[in-house]
Amino acid sequence: DAGVIQSPRHEVTEMGQEVTLRCKPISGHDYLFWYRQTMMRGLELLIYFNNNVPIDDSGMPEDRFSAKMPNASFSTLKIQPSEPRDSAVYFCATSPAGSTEAFFGQGTRLTVV
Amino acid sequence: SQQGEEDPQALSIQEGENATMNCSYKTSINNLQWYRQNSGRGLVHLILIRSNEREKHSGRLRVTLDTSKKSSSLLITASRAADTASYFCATDEGSYIPTFGRGTSLIVHP
Repeated sequence: DAGVIQSPRHEVTEMGQEVTLRCKPISGHDYLFWYRQTMMRGLELLIYFNNNVPIDDSGMPEDRFSAKMPNASFSTLKIQPSEPRDSAVYFCATSPAGSTEAFFGQGTRLTVV
Repeated sequence: SQQGEEDPQALSIQEGENATMNCSYKTSINNLQWYRQNSGRGLVHLILIRSNEREKHSGRLRVTLDTSKKSSSLLITASRAADTASYFCATDEGSYIPTFGRGTSLIVHP
């Protein structure tokens, strides 16, 4: 397996634009997590899914953020409209059922100007 | 919210020295994990220690866990320049959801 695949690796966008981050999880992993990493706040859990169902989105900072997992092979994190303070590295991670070991993608570095 | 907090925030040592990082957490856990992050990359799992274990080894890594003090330490022995990275502890707060601290930035000088 190629591991967790995120795209794009880098995204630069203007304030107010819609941004969509994508994640392909490891096949067979039941849990999918979206994290945001900044110098100020470290690694924050935004939302996680279990078997494609959103379980806890309490970490999503604002209504501008939304996440979907339409099937077991794909998830998106959308920011609409984007703001400069959304600039961060966004990670997707997955884990198999019964395990807390998380497998991370390479991340998407988002810059909103 | 951060469950685990690493200490120190930054550590700079010479190659061959040992590096010790600490993690403190607040609530009961099932497991505690340590991860490594190289610059510009995702986190990579290093080692997991269960709440009923006190010490675990993996190669040059030694992890201890003291549940009475709600703390853990990661020791890297005979460090190498390639160990330069950020190290994070992650706790599960009784669920399967890893919650990370802010990390310790380790620099190993050749």
